[in-house]
This record gives sequence, structure tokens and C-alpha cells, in this order.
Amino acid sequence: DAGVIQSPRHEVTEMGQEVTLRCKPISGHDYLFWYRQTMMRGLELLIYFNNNVPIDDSGMPEDRFSAKMPNASFSTLKIQPSEPRDSAVYFCASSEQGARGYTFGSGTRLTVV
Amino acid sequence: QQQVKQSPQSLIVQKGGISIINCAYENTAFDYFPWYQQFPGKGPALLIAIRPDVSEKKEGRFTISFNKSAKQFSLHIMDSQPGDSATYFCAASSNAGNMLTFGGGTRLMVKP
Repeated sequence: DAGVIQSPRHEVTEMGQEVTLRCKPISGHDYLFWYRQTMMRGLELLIYFNNNVPIDDSGMPEDRFSAKMPNASFSTLKIQPSEPRDSAVYFCASSEQGARGYTFGSGTRLTVV
Repeated sequence: QQQVKQSPQSLIVQKGGISIINCAYENTAFDYFPWYQQFPGKGPALLIAIRPDVSEKKEGRFTISFNKSAKQFSLHIMDSQPGDSATYFCAASSNAGNMLTFGGGTRLMVKP
């Protein structure tokens, strides 16, 4: 198994531009999580899905952020418009129903200039 | 409200020494306590985990100590090596779902 796959690994964009981050969870995993990591705030849960349905998006910082999971093998996190304070590493993680551990992807390092 | 508090934020240990990272939780419904290890440029990876029916779990040089009455648990790294230099996160979850609550992380540096 290739694990959780995120793309791109690095993204540099100008303020105001739209950014789309992508995630392919491990096949058979029912849960998908989006996290943001910064030095100041550590790991923050943004949103999570169960069986492709968003369950809790209370961590999404504002309306500029949106996430979708159109099928069991793909999810996106979109920021529109992007701002410099969105610069962070964004992680996707997945897990199986009943399993207690997550498998994280390698992350996308986003820099908004 | 942060439900899992982790300390210290950073830690420097000499090679061969013992690294100790502590976590405290509030939610008594938590019944699974994993530790994750994160190397630069990588995502966190599960290192070791414990359930509250035991007070200690050991895997190689890594040991979790668990104190249910105090609602605290800690990670001990024996004979710390430079290769252990990483960020460590404690976490906790309840049986109610697959949600993990993470601590703030500890950046460990092991000096040669």
C-alpha cells in the first residue's frame, strides 16, 4: 500500500490566488482528516469526513476554506482567496472504522506570498 | 479548550540519556493514548500506544507510563540517539469515534 498520498508537496502562490490541495486516502479507510500545522498552533484539525460525508468542520478557520470528498479515494482542500497567514503545512490522514490510529500523508507545504 | 496538554515544548538531551515527555488530559472518556513521531518533512507516524488497563507499555527503547488517577501519561526514550531527534505528539481518543485529540508537540534534539 502506498499510504496516504498528498499533492503537491510544495505550493507557492500569491496572495489572493486560489489554492487546491489534494489527498488520496488509504483504500478501505472510512475516515479522512485534514490538519494544518504551524509552529505557533501545532496540529489543528480543520475538518474530517466519514464515508465521504463531512462530520465536523468547526476547525475550518473561515469561509475562505472549503473541503470536499467526492468519492472514497479523493479529497480536496481549497483556499480562496489565499492569504499569507494561511502559510503552513497541511496534512491529510485516514483511518479505518474502529481503528484508533491515523496514517498521515507527507503533507503539503503552502507558502502564500 | 485544549484537552491534552503536553510538556515540555522543546527538549535537548545528550546521546545516551533519557528523554521524558509528559501529557495530561481532562476527558475521562479517553481510553486510547498514542504517541506520534514526526521527522522534518514527513507526516506524524504512530510510534507506540497504550490503553488505560495497563500502567506501562514498552517497545524497545520507548516506554509509555500511564497514571489513570492523575490523568497523565508520559513517553520515556531510553538511551536516546541522535536519530530520535524529531517532534513528538501525544494524543488521546475515546471509544465514541475515531477522533484523536493531539497535544501541542515536543521538539526533541539529541546531541551527539
